[in-house]
Amino acid sequence: DTAVSQTPKYLVTQMGNDKSIKCEQNLGHDTMYWYKQDSKKFLKIMFSYNNKELIINETVPNRFSPKSPDKAHLNLHINSLELGDSAVYFCASSQKGVNEQFFGPGTRLTVL
Amino acid sequence: AQRVTQPEKLLSVFKGAPVELKCNYSYSGSPELFWYVQYSRQRLQLLLRHISRESIKGFTADLNKGETSFHLKKPFAQEEDSAMYYCALYATSGSRLTFGEGTQLTVNP
Repeated sequence: DTAVSQTPKYLVTQMGNDKSIKCEQNLGHDTMYWYKQDSKKFLKIMFSYNNKELIINETVPNRFSPKSPDKAHLNLHINSLELGDSAVYFCASSQKGVNEQFFGPGTRLTVL
Repeated sequence: AQRVTQPEKLLSVFKGAPVELKCNYSYSGSPELFWYVQYSRQRLQLLLRHISRESIKGFTADLNKGETSFHLKKPFAQEEDSAMYYCALYATSGSRLTFGEGTQLTVNP
């Protein structure tokens, strides 16, 4: 099944904890992204990697650190979680030169 | 910098009625525009891209460069069209997709 997958689907945690979200795509794409969808459903890009190289780094607290071990994976690590980090995080991928992006199912993060 | 505006956060129509979801953009270059749809608690998926000029699920969208718009239209809405719709612009400078705020469409029986 060719797709973009994310784990976990749901993540409930306490303030101050550190957590990671994993993303994998088997579409053979060379560019991957992380988006945050807030409670008002506004979708904002956070990071983008092309062939393991960071190419977009929006104004995101440095508690958020993406890591791309290879071009099929892009993980998001969040330190010292805050209440305001509660959101749905979407991973996406695309192929350079083709601007359509394919999205993962999302990870719903709830910080208590 | 590019910007995408969807003026209606919520849109409610009855089944069988025409529907138009508005999208306006600002971008100094040549835009590539998309409509994405997100059904309840599902992933975003591509609905239309302007360069394809195709109709998907009865929806069409025409790029109007004079009015800087890319409105999404369907002549007869169906209940299964109820979803969140995002207009998005791809800007070659910055290599990024910029999304509008989204329009929640509800089609009532």
